[in-house]
This record gives sequence, C-alpha cells and structure tokens, in this order.
Amino acid sequence: GAGVSQSPSNKVTEKGKDVELRCDPISGHTALYWYRQSLGQGLEFLIYFQGNSAPDKSGLPSDRFSAERTGGSVSTLTIQRTQQEDSAVYLCASSLAGRDPYGYTFGSGTRLTVV
Amino acid sequence: QKEVEQDPGPLSVPEGAIVSLNCTYSNSAFQYFMWYRQYSRKGPELLMYTYSSGNKEDGRFTAQVDKSSKYISLFIRDSQPSDSATYLCAMLGGSNYKLTFGKGTLLTVNP
Repeated sequence: GAGVSQSPSNKVTEKGKDVELRCDPISGHTALYWYRQSLGQGLEFLIYFQGNSAPDKSGLPSDRFSAERTGGSVSTLTIQRTQQEDSAVYLCASSLAGRDPYGYTFGSGTRLTVV
Repeated sequence: QKEVEQDPGPLSVPEGAIVSLNCTYSNSAFQYFMWYRQYSRKGPELLMYTYSSGNKEDGRFTAQVDKSSKYISLFIRDSQPSDSATYLCAMLGGSNYKLTFGKGTLLTVNP
C-alpha cells in the first residue's frame, strides 16, 4: 500500500480483556517497528522485526505484551489482561531495511483506552 | 536523567515569527539526528535529518546539531498556521534502528 496502515484506529476495552492491534507495513519494507506514545511521554520503542524475526524485543514492558509478524508483512501486537496503564497510542513504522535511519514511515496509530 | 530531554511547551507564536525548538541528549553514541512533525491524531512524519554535527537547511526549516554540547535545534522561519503541530526530536546511534525520542513540543502558530 501507499502507507503504513494500522487497525483499529481506536479501541476501548475493559480492564482484563485481551486486545490485538494490527499493522500493515509498506509493501517491500523488511523492517517493522512498534512504538508506544503515552500522554506526556515521548515515543517508546517496543519491538523491532527484520522479516519475520524479532531480534530486539527489549522494549516490551511486560510478558503480557507479545508481537508476531507473518509473511514478512503484517504484524500483530497482542496485549493480554489489559491494565489501565496500557492506555496509549500504539504506533507502527516500517522501513526498507533495519539500517535505514531516515527511512521510517509511521502509521497513524491505534489509540487504546482501557476502562 | 532521560537520554533525550525536550521542553514540552506548549509554545504559542504569531504567524510570521521565528520558532526555535531544541533538545539535549546524554548518549554520546547518537550519530543521526532527526526532527519529526506530528499532527493531531496522526503518526510522526520525518521533517529534517542530520548526520553528526552541522547545519542543514530546507526551505523555511533549519536543523542544527552541536555534538560537543549534545544539543540540537530546529528553527522555523516565517511560521505559518499550518506549522501548528507537535515537533519531536529523535536520535539514533549504535543499533542503527532504534529511535530515541524526546517528549515533543506542542507548537501553535496563531494567524
């Protein structure tokens, strides 16, 4: 596609429920990243994919968070047993290669609200 | 101390003003310096980028990096209402893929 597509754009969920957030990167982009933007905070790195592998998961805040990527394309970020502190905008970005510092393209994000 | 510090503002200026935005950082490994612009309910978009120290100009925008002081700046000349957005500094080094962001400065340009 023309850009990075994320769905849903908004998600309201009850505390304790699981949620799945989806990212469709730009076609041909082998690198994919998830970031989280909380109120009053900058973007925080969560995870990096190169192809279907995740060589860096260091930013995932707890074991309730997981992510996968299939076919070198679509990625899903799953949050289990959601907590109120998980409320944030989850942003996905992709780039042609993992060492392309100027080539990130971000999606518009999924705004997650845990009530 | 966070690796990247950025005054969140908000900053409000009249149309036509010169705007100065800046960030400081502590990690000497940072080599790539970027400024992103983020409109409300949108993802960040790359505005300017610089490798190592120096200046870079693109139209009304000028990015400066002073590695000796660990200080970067973005100047906007002849600011327009359409420049109203959150401006995020971002840096990269070492891993070459993990961006470290400032918290962002909310800018409003009043007509």
